[in-house]
Amino acid sequence: QSALTQPASVSGSPGQSITISCTGTSSDVGGYNFVSWYQQHPGKAPKLMIYDVGNRPSGVSNRFSGSKSGNTASLTISGLQAEDEADYYCSSFSSGDKGVFGTGTKVTVL
Amino acid sequence: EVQLLESGGGLVQPGGSLRLSCAASGFSFSSYAMTWVRQAPGKGLEWVSAISGSGSRAYYADSVKGRFTISRDNSKDTLYLQMNSLRAEDTALYYCGKFIGPTIGAFDIWGQGTMVTVSS
Repeated sequence: QSALTQPASVSGSPGQSITISCTGTSSDVGGYNFVSWYQQHPGKAPKLMIYDVGNRPSGVSNRFSGSKSGNTASLTISGLQAEDEADYYCSSFSSGDKGVFGTGTKVTVL
Repeated sequence: EVQLLESGGGLVQPGGSLRLSCAASGFSFSSYAMTWVRQAPGKGLEWVSAISGSGSRAYYADSVKGRFTISRDNSKDTLYLQMNSLRAEDTALYYCGKFIGPTIGAFDIWGQGTMVTVSS
């Protein structure tokens, strides 16, 4: 049950697009379409941004989109805004009826 | 308003026990699986445990299996986490979360967390 691998940090200027990767194995990311993404601002609880690979909950901006190819999932933030600066975590269902999170990515808006 | 409110955290000595509670409101509690997720100070999120809506099925991370027990009381709309044989590495902010659907998937509602500190 190893954590999914994410880049430690990603940065971009306002208005740009950035992509965060989340790499797992065929036992988690690659084996199921239950990948989700969470945004966490300092001192706050995580917030669901994407579920089931590419679906957005109501109220989440359409600037956030998700996808998956093989064992790697991705979160793309387009039209980057200052309020998007936060930590982002991917998560997946894993074989053995377990959950697993990614290592986390700090997004910085330059 | 859909809400989750955790309680029961605190300071406990290594080897001790603690029971966390998570009071739910604003949704049909028994219709959804629930989860516990923790975050050590300055670290990332770690999935801990999950339980089905009926309470008949429970799932655990390898790091807590055999020491932690998840349960729920659907008559009280409350989720629990009994933590025994606590270790220093269990020190973390513990969040409860609601699954977006009846079974596996994402967690769409989170509480604000309750802090557990394991130290002598």
